[in-house]
Amino acid sequence: DQQVKQNSPSLSVQEGRISILNCDYTNSMFDYFLWYKKYPAEGPTFLISISSIKDKNEDGRFTVFLNKSAKHLSLHIVPSQPGDSAVYFCAASPEGYGQNFVFGPGTRLSVLP
Amino acid sequence: DTGVSQDPRHKITKRGQNVTFRCDPISEHNRLYWYRQTLGQGPEFLTYFQNEAQLEKSRLLSDRFSAERPKGSFSTLEIQRTEQGDSAMYLCASSSLQAQETQYFGPGTRLLVL
Repeated sequence: DQQVKQNSPSLSVQEGRISILNCDYTNSMFDYFLWYKKYPAEGPTFLISISSIKDKNEDGRFTVFLNKSAKHLSLHIVPSQPGDSAVYFCAASPEGYGQNFVFGPGTRLSVLP
Repeated sequence: DTGVSQDPRHKITKRGQNVTFRCDPISEHNRLYWYRQTLGQGPEFLTYFQNEAQLEKSRLLSDRFSAERPKGSFSTLEIQRTEQGDSAMYLCASSSLQAQETQYFGPGTRLLVL
């Protein structure tokens, strides 16, 4: 039973356009969420996070939105660049519970030049 | 490079053999995590240490798996009597006391059990 779901295994976007990656979770105890990016042959790299006390967090081209009532979060990348092509993982944690994250299966983003 | 390092990067072994992986975290990080990732899935939590103490183990961590962090610095993950189902990428991550919510991952050790 997956507690963190990323229902789109892959996504293709034109360079310069917006990329929107979605994530849904089922455990209402989760209150801290992160996005990681992974290139081939490398470990995941932290991208951006959000606590449940917020509904939006922005860092440069990356914005994460959280809808707690819908148990849904999304990552927006604007504008998308070819270097953004990677697998993106959504992760969740019940804060204070050792921060052992539960990861989604990932979405492969391809940004086409 | 002061990131998380893992050794070896690749390991091929025969079923029934024991294997040991090493992780060197970022030097000032007191928390160290082990994850396993299989194809098409995200990383799955296995265990974590705070300094030398192993504070939590997932039920995924069978009794064939053992992890140590004897001096609170590097960690080892040993798998005894490997099975084909153990084939996966084993990822190590670390985090600091000041920012425990952000984990920094190593490149992983890819294990193939024949």
